[in-house]
Amino acid sequence: DSGVTQTPKHLITATGQRVTLRCSPRSGDLSVYWYQQSLDQGLQFLIQYYNGEERAKGNILERFSAQQFPDLHSELNLSSLELGDSALYFCASSVEGGTSYEQYFGPGTRLTVT
Amino acid sequence: GEDVEQSLFLSVREGDSSVINCTYTDSSSTYLYWYKQEPGAGLQLLTYIFSNMDMKQDQRLTVLLNKKDKHLSLRIADTQTGDSAIYFCAESIPDKLIFGTGTRLQVFP
Repeated sequence: DSGVTQTPKHLITATGQRVTLRCSPRSGDLSVYWYQQSLDQGLQFLIQYYNGEERAKGNILERFSAQQFPDLHSELNLSSLELGDSALYFCASSVEGGTSYEQYFGPGTRLTVT
Repeated sequence: GEDVEQSLFLSVREGDSSVINCTYTDSSSTYLYWYKQEPGAGLQLLTYIFSNMDMKQDQRLTVLLNKKDKHLSLRIADTQTGDSAIYFCAESIPDKLIFGTGTRLQVFP
């Protein structure tokens, strides 16, 4: 158990819909990262927040957005969903914001878009 | 560019050593990581190596880094069935990790 929690574990929704994925980092970690894992794209970095502020952006679509709240939990919002958005979405956390710090991954949310 | 490559599959007999290889492209990477993903689970950090090191050993795991060739390897000694998983290498570049495609390790008795 990494100490990172994600909800829900599974999510099934229809194309065009909007969903929110939630992540609680390990106690004491200030930084949260979101990743997408799909069969065709592999594991891709989406976005990072550090202490409430966006720190880095990766291959995140404009239909996707995220935020980190004062209690440090984070939400990833996916809108206008398409079939290709079906994937595992992981959240990771680390103590600080740089990638020299170990990232601990949550169990993931499996999103299925039908 | 950002590209991390790994072979897709590796099959080894229980008790043998496994060697999983990875090549990366960004010479500015400061840390290189190995993660393990078991079926239905998230990624578990196994070990990492700082870019100015050649080797790091941690119990059954040995990481070798050839910075000149941008080649990273993970050796698992005395491989067990519980080591069956997908192994990802990742390079750190400012503010993000770039992951390889993952190598599926299958251990047979």
